[in-house]
Amino acid sequence: ILNVEQSPQSLHVQEGDSTNFTCSFPSSNFYALHWYRWETAKSPEALFVMTLNGDEKKKGRISATLNTKEGYSYLYIKGSQPEDSATYLCAPPPHYGGSQGNLIFGKGTKLSVKP
Amino acid sequence: NAGVTQTPKFQVLKTGQSMTLQCAQDMNHEYMSWYRQDPGMGLRLIHYSVGAGITDQGEVPNGYNVSRSTTEDFPLRLLSAAPSQTSVYFCASSYGQGNYEQYFGPGTRLTVT
Repeated sequence: ILNVEQSPQSLHVQEGDSTNFTCSFPSSNFYALHWYRWETAKSPEALFVMTLNGDEKKKGRISATLNTKEGYSYLYIKGSQPEDSATYLCAPPPHYGGSQGNLIFGKGTKLSVKP
Repeated sequence: NAGVTQTPKFQVLKTGQSMTLQCAQDMNHEYMSWYRQDPGMGLRLIHYSVGAGITDQGEVPNGYNVSRSTTEDFPLRLLSAAPSQTSVYFCASSYGQGNYEQYFGPGTRLTVT
């Protein structure tokens, strides 16, 4: 089972601040990295799936980068809004053929944005 | 499409009782998984299935059984509930075959007293 680390565990920012957090994973046998957004009392929803070293993906004010050689991904939120408050999970699937490709999630970064 | 559905939404059990959490998906996904959410622990994988008739254990399988007789359904059974199984349970599915983006159900909140 892959060891996935996310930091920080929690983050409190003011509305309008930009912020970022990290997902670290073993760089060997990399296949893909998933980011999910999980609002309280709801189900997790996929944000990005990233597969190539140097990948950068963007959705509105949220973007993510990927470094497969050193084993990390950053998630950035520009100009945080209260509706961005959620837990952000990352999940690198085990290499296909290793553990049948299911997702093991990090513990997440809980973001709180104060108005 | 209804996506991934779970029943019940809430359940209270007494220690030692058994029950089955239901999960169904109508997207013809090959892969299905069960996760539990606990404070400070994020989402932990209980069991998963890569197709009808094939299941395997995840990170925290003890106390749970699964079966996958059809592509659509993936029930999770608690044979003898324990207070440590108090949690929120999420079922998820994905296409598989290299596409592992998970679609989650709404969750079942289980309390074992």
